[in-house]
Amino acid sequence: EAGVTQFPSHSVIEKGQTVTLRCDPISGHDNLYWYRRVMGKEIKFLLHFVKESKQDESGMPNNRFLAERTGGTYSTLKVQPAELEDSGVYFCASSQDRAKNIQYFGAGTRLSVL
Amino acid sequence: AQSVTQPDIHITVSEGASLELRCNYSYGATPYLFWYVQSPGQGLQLLLKYFSGDTLVQGIKGFEAEFKRSQSSFNLRKPSVHWSDAAEYFCAVVPDNYGQNFVFGPGTRLSVLP
Repeated sequence: EAGVTQFPSHSVIEKGQTVTLRCDPISGHDNLYWYRRVMGKEIKFLLHFVKESKQDESGMPNNRFLAERTGGTYSTLKVQPAELEDSGVYFCASSQDRAKNIQYFGAGTRLSVL
Repeated sequence: AQSVTQPDIHITVSEGASLELRCNYSYGATPYLFWYVQSPGQGLQLLLKYFSGDTLVQGIKGFEAEFKRSQSSFNLRKPSVHWSDAAEYFCAVVPDNYGQNFVFGPGTRLSVLP
């Protein structure tokens, strides 16, 4: 069974550009989460989808970030326009049973904004 | 403020030595508790979890952790470290046992000397 896959693994863009990160959860997992780790800081929650609906987006830093999960399968996280402080590693996770909340994580996308 | 702390940013041990990584949390109720490990280039892998019951939990790769309610701690241990254990370790908490999202500690980087 394939795990959570994220791509690209690394993205280098200039300030002001747009970047789209993609996450493919484990098949059958209705819950999909995005997290971010800025350099030297904790991994922080961004948002949570249940199927195609946003259950909790309290961690989204500002309106430059847009997450979608059309069809309830894969998800994209778009940053537009990117700023220097957006640099970090973006993790995606999925879970099947939210009550026990065992989340399976992807390898992350390292975003470098220059 | 409610938080998860991992007091040791970086630990170095010799191969074959014992290991203990500390984790404390400051949530009032007993949360769900997790330890994840991230090896270079890999995603976060679940080592073990505690929901309820026996306070000593066994995980993969020979790791175990003990929940101590009186100390609000969930320390990770391994009796004999292998060179392949070199990685970054994250303690994570789901604060209210259902529906809330992970709160991560800052991580502890483990180096293993031959």
